[in-house]
Amino acid sequence: EPEVTQTPSHQVTQMGQEVILRCVPISNHLYFYWYRQILGQKVEFLVSFYNNEISEKSEIFDDQFSVERPDGSNFTLKIRSTKLEDSAMYFCASSEAGGTGAPNQPQHFGDGTRLSIL
Amino acid sequence: EDQVTQSPEALRLQEGESSSLNCSYTVSGLRGLFWYRQDPGKGPEFLFTLYSAGEEKEKERLKATLTKKESFLHITAPKPEDSATYLCAVQAKGRRALTFGSGTRLQVQP
Repeated sequence: EPEVTQTPSHQVTQMGQEVILRCVPISNHLYFYWYRQILGQKVEFLVSFYNNEISEKSEIFDDQFSVERPDGSNFTLKIRSTKLEDSAMYFCASSEAGGTGAPNQPQHFGDGTRLSIL
Repeated sequence: EDQVTQSPEALRLQEGESSSLNCSYTVSGLRGLFWYRQDPGKGPEFLFTLYSAGEEKEKERLKATLTKKESFLHITAPKPEDSATYLCAVQAKGRRALTFGSGTRLQVQP
């Protein structure tokens, strides 16, 4: 069964450094997402991406964050200058398009990258 | 603001002991309600989508139902392999973001 793949599984970074988290979505999916889960808290939406642009973002997704689809298979999340509070599990997800009048398509998640900021 | 509240926070069952998990929600027009299963150290695994009140979906020992204010995940004769955290999420009309609840941590003892 196709799955979303995330690398690395664990990333340790010094505060203030840039970090890039990588994801390979399911191949025929057109919508891509990033979520995060701080230890012991809810899964929180960060951003959705469609047709090479951000379609929706949350208040968490400020100027420190950016997303990119650098080629036909990868989807990345960059944090420009990491803070201690960025420590969390970051999940990538993807879904089929599903438009107006079409059934809503579920989002399928990868197993996450645990980001630890020192 | 969309909100999802799940109860109980934790549930311990004996193998074969059926029960239900609750998900109460408020959303500005429901596009879909989703149930996921999450094992430790893993990402959420999709189980069901429900779109409108009265709808029901089943998969093996799990059955999800939906009303205008809440959803239930019924677990019939659970097995130890059903032990996991079950997450409920809502999606509002016109949006792609999922709003998650805190989850119910289910433990099924043999």
